[in-house]
Amino acid sequence: EAGVAQSPRYKIIEKRQSVAFWCNPISGHATLYWYQQILGQGPKLLIQFQNNGVVDDSQLPKDRFSAERLKGVDSTLKIQPAKLEDSAVYLCASTLRGSGNTIYFGEGSWLTVV
Amino acid sequence: AQSVTQLDSQVPVFEEAPVELRCNYSSSVSVYLFWYVQYPNQGLQLLLKYLSGSTLVKGINGFEAEFNKSQTSFHLRKPSVHISDTAEYFCAVSDWGGGGADGLTFGKGTHLIIQP
Repeated sequence: EAGVAQSPRYKIIEKRQSVAFWCNPISGHATLYWYQQILGQGPKLLIQFQNNGVVDDSQLPKDRFSAERLKGVDSTLKIQPAKLEDSAVYLCASTLRGSGNTIYFGEGSWLTVV
Repeated sequence: AQSVTQLDSQVPVFEEAPVELRCNYSSSVSVYLFWYVQYPNQGLQLLLKYLSGSTLVKGINGFEAEFNKSQTSFHLRKPSVHISDTAEYFCAVSDWGGGGADGLTFGKGTHLIIQP
């Protein structure tokens, strides 16, 4: 079974530029999450989708971050304009609908803002 | 609001010795508890989870954890570690899913270092 796919794996941009990350969850998984993991810290939830609807985006910095999951399958996370403190790994994860189910993570997209 | 505290940022252990990684949580509601492992340059992999029932949970790679509600703890243990266990370990909690928002809240992680 294919896992959670993410691209690109690595990205270096200058501050004030924009960047987009793509995620394709495991087939059939209705719930999709984006997490931000800053070096030396645990992942922090940015946004949770249930199919194509947003369930929780309370920790998403909406002035610069946006995310969509238009057809309820793959998702895109965008940052515009990027700041130095956005340097992090962006992890996508998915699960079958329902709490307590195992959440599967992708390998992450590493962002460096210079 | 939930929070997770991993009391040790780094734990050095000799190979074949036992290890315990500590985790405490706080939450105003009932929670599910998880331990994830992250190898260098990889995503997170689930080691084990507690949903309900027996407080002793067994996971992959010989790890186990015990849920202690009175002490709000979920410590991870392994009786004999191997070099391949060197990794970052994260404890996490989620709500019972009220309202559908059930994203994980993670601790800061514990770096397990296995010394030969």
